[in-house]
Amino acid sequence: YELTQAPSVSVAPGETARITCVRNNIENEIVHWYQQQPGQAPVLVVSYNNDRPPGIPARFSGSSFDNTDTLTISRVEAGDEAAYYCQVWDFNRDLWVFGGGTKLTVL
Amino acid sequence: VQLVESGGGVVQAGRSLRLSCSASGFTFNDYVFHWVRQAPGKGLEWLALLSFDEKSNLLRDSVIGRFSVSRNNLKSILYLQMNSLEVDDTARYFCARGREGAPFDNWGQGTLVAVSS
Repeated sequence: YELTQAPSVSVAPGETARITCVRNNIENEIVHWYQQQPGQAPVLVVSYNNDRPPGIPARFSGSSFDNTDTLTISRVEAGDEAAYYCQVWDFNRDLWVFGGGTKLTVL
Repeated sequence: VQLVESGGGVVQAGRSLRLSCSASGFTFNDYVFHWVRQAPGKGLEWLALLSFDEKSNLLRDSVIGRFSVSRNNLKSILYLQMNSLEVDDTARYFCARGREGAPFDNWGQGTLVAVSS
């Protein structure tokens, strides 16, 4: 009953970063994504798999296939360097679950 | 929209602490509130949620019996009462708001709790 994320991803500025989240034994397919800059609170960047909250750049997008969700960041900038967490509401256990987080490094 | 946590500090294992989250800039009663914590260098861990009428009051299993959540809708404050604190409870504690079953659209900056043995 978990969300599995790779611990780290590295990309060069201007490239595309893809951060994946694998749902293991969690039936709910609706995934949300948060960005957490060092020392800051998390910020919702993608909701309901592929919606962007107001103020989030179009460079951030989400997609889903089978039990894997992907957060895609296009034209990566230095300011995108942060930890990214996926999140799901596990309605079978009445529990919000976060993935372990992926640290995005901009080379 | 502003959420401001307070009440953190250094406490000995076995003692209690009450965290507060003061909300402003929106209608407090319209939202469900959550507590999430983050141990040093670790990821996010959801702890609890509380609806405006307290009919939805959920805690993760690992803190049931030690932690409880409450709210004062007149003062727009959310609370987290933490009893029998353990060293593993050392973390930054965030409050966040959302709608029922919806993601967390605003977070506070968190308050740090350090539990010593």
